[in-house]
Amino acid sequence: TQLLEQSPQFLSIQEGENLTVYCNSSSVFSSLQWYRQEPGEGPVLLVTVVTGGEVKKLKRLTFQFGDARKDSSLHITAAQPGDTGLYLCAGAGAGGTSYGKLTFGQGTILTVHP
Amino acid sequence: DAGVTQSPTHLIKTRGQHVTLRCSPISGHKSVSWYQQVLGQGPQFIFQYYEKEERGRGNFPDRFSARQFPNYSSELNVNALLLGDSALYLCASSIWTGINQPQHFGDGTRLSIL
Repeated sequence: TQLLEQSPQFLSIQEGENLTVYCNSSSVFSSLQWYRQEPGEGPVLLVTVVTGGEVKKLKRLTFQFGDARKDSSLHITAAQPGDTGLYLCAGAGAGGTSYGKLTFGQGTILTVHP
Repeated sequence: DAGVTQSPTHLIKTRGQHVTLRCSPISGHKSVSWYQQVLGQGPQFIFQYYEKEERGRGNFPDRFSARQFPNYSSELNVNALLLGDSALYLCASSIWTGINQPQHFGDGTRLSIL
């Protein structure tokens, strides 16, 4: 069974602070996807990282895939209240499992106070 | 273009009843996946269908079943409902079943079991 451990579970910070969310597994994933979910809505894809060591930037968000493709991180610089939401990491199965299956972490609830 | 649409948005059932949830994928998407998201947790994979065939199944009991129609829409059926089936049921569509295919989620059906 492939599991993704996401930490921290809760994060409450002030506007302007930086933060990092971690996603770790003992399994190798073909890719790691990061989603953001707001109350009453479905998850919205932020980024997909595919290559070990890959770094992708999306404005103030930086995503990194570990060299061994077992872990990933999301770093937000100068957080804003609009960043508030549930952040989810999801791994796409590698060999032997359903190709389309995503294994999700437990999620990180981020609250950014003005 | 319309995104993934799910119906109904909310549903209240009692223990022992059955329920049918519906999903229409994004136009041109041939793969549909179903996920269950219990409050406070990340989504858990239930099924994936592609070209009307089941391509993957998560660790859910046989009370859960699904099918995909020729127009690529899908239904998720749950029989003999239990209190623990209360959750947000998410449908996601992708163009095909490739490992790194981005999945686009609907806003889900909130199912409450009394």
